[in-house]
Amino acid sequence: DAGVIQSPRHEVTEMGQEVTLRCKPISGHNSLFWYRQTMMRGLELLIYFNNNVPIDDSGMPEDRFSAKMPNASFSTLKIQPSEPRDSAVYFCASSFLAFEASGRAPNEQFFGPGTRLTVL
Amino acid sequence: AQSVAQPEDQVNVAEGNPLTVKCTYSVSGNPYLFWYVQYPNRGLQFLLKYITGDNLVKGSYGFEAEFNKSQTSFHLKKPSALVSDSALYFCAVRNFNKFYFGSGTKLNVKP
Repeated sequence: DAGVIQSPRHEVTEMGQEVTLRCKPISGHNSLFWYRQTMMRGLELLIYFNNNVPIDDSGMPEDRFSAKMPNASFSTLKIQPSEPRDSAVYFCASSFLAFEASGRAPNEQFFGPGTRLTVL
Repeated sequence: AQSVAQPEDQVNVAEGNPLTVKCTYSVSGNPYLFWYVQYPNRGLQFLLKYITGDNLVKGSYGFEAEFNKSQTSFHLKKPSALVSDSALYFCAVRNFNKFYFGSGTKLNVKP
């Protein structure tokens, strides 16, 4: 298994440009999470999907941020327009999550290598 | 509200000595607890988890963690530290389908 795949690994762009980050979760996982990591704020959950449906986007900082999951094997996080304060490492993670009532043991998340975004 | 606290930003230990990285949690319902490690320029890697059963959980790379319900703690331990254990460690609690991560503790193991 290749694990969670993210692209690009590094992105340098200028303020005002559109940025699209991509993620391919582990096959068979039903949940996908987008995180942002900075020195100042640590690891922040931006949004997560369950069965391709956005469940909680309360961590998305502004309307400039949007995320989609058109199918079980692909997700994008888009920033338009980008700003210097968006510079961070963005991680995608996937997991197989079952609700408590199912009786299945909770599973851990598997993280991708991250995309380091620099907005000049 | 669900939360995880890692009271130490940094832990320094000499190689060969035991190490402990502290974590306390606050969660409604059953606590599902996890430890992750992050090496420089890498994503987080799963180390171990506590779901139920024995309070002492064993994980990857010789790490273990002790769940203490009365103290709401889940400290990460290793009997003998290696220089290669130097990394950033995150404690996390899962509540329903969301994971709540601590702020991270940087572990420095000196030769």
